[in-house]
Amino acid sequence: LAKTTQPISMDSYEGQEVNITCSHNNIATNDYITWYQQFPSQGPRFIIQGYKTKVTNEVASLFIPADRKSSTLSLPRVSLSDTAVYYCLVVNNTDKLIFGTGTRLQVFP
Amino acid sequence: KAGVTQTPRYLIKTRGQQVTLSCSPISGHRSVSWYQQTPGQGLQFLFEYFSETQRNKGNFPGRFSGRQFSNSRSEMNVSTLELGDSALYLCASSLDPRTPEAFFGQGTRLTVV
Repeated sequence: LAKTTQPISMDSYEGQEVNITCSHNNIATNDYITWYQQFPSQGPRFIIQGYKTKVTNEVASLFIPADRKSSTLSLPRVSLSDTAVYYCLVVNNTDKLIFGTGTRLQVFP
Repeated sequence: KAGVTQTPRYLIKTRGQQVTLSCSPISGHRSVSWYQQTPGQGLQFLFEYFSETQRNKGNFPGRFSGRQFSNSRSEMNVSTLELGDSALYLCASSLDPRTPEAFFGQGTRLTVV
């Protein structure tokens, strides 16, 4: 399983764009990059998944360079309710989900 | 449609007792995974079930066990509880093991005293 490395914490202010970068140097050919969000005392929630280039949905964008050794989750115009822990995972269709320590995002007014 | 339902939401047990937690996946989902979350260790994978068979198992002692029924509902059991078993236990369901998107329940908060 490819290990992921992401910042422990990040601070931002309402209305700003937040970019969380994740390193996964040992990613395999059939691995996908997946991001989850977790609020306190709740289970994680799937945000977005990608394989390469850029993926966008109503919540976030995911940027993956050609070498796929890193990825960046972009949250446009964050609000206080985006304060949460964000997990980057590298998964394939046969593996269980392995969560790292995640990035604790704190959004200030 | 209804989400993943875990019962009970909160539980207090004493050391040495055993406990059974229940998880009802989203209708149509056949894969269920269990996780333990503690402040010190984060989210740790316990086991995964699909079609009543355990597919994967995390690095937990034999006191932790689980099963899945024919209707995809799952239970996990912890015997001889220890103080360190106090945690939030989360269940996640997905259509099948190949589906990357898993839906998590609210969890069961277990406190061992």
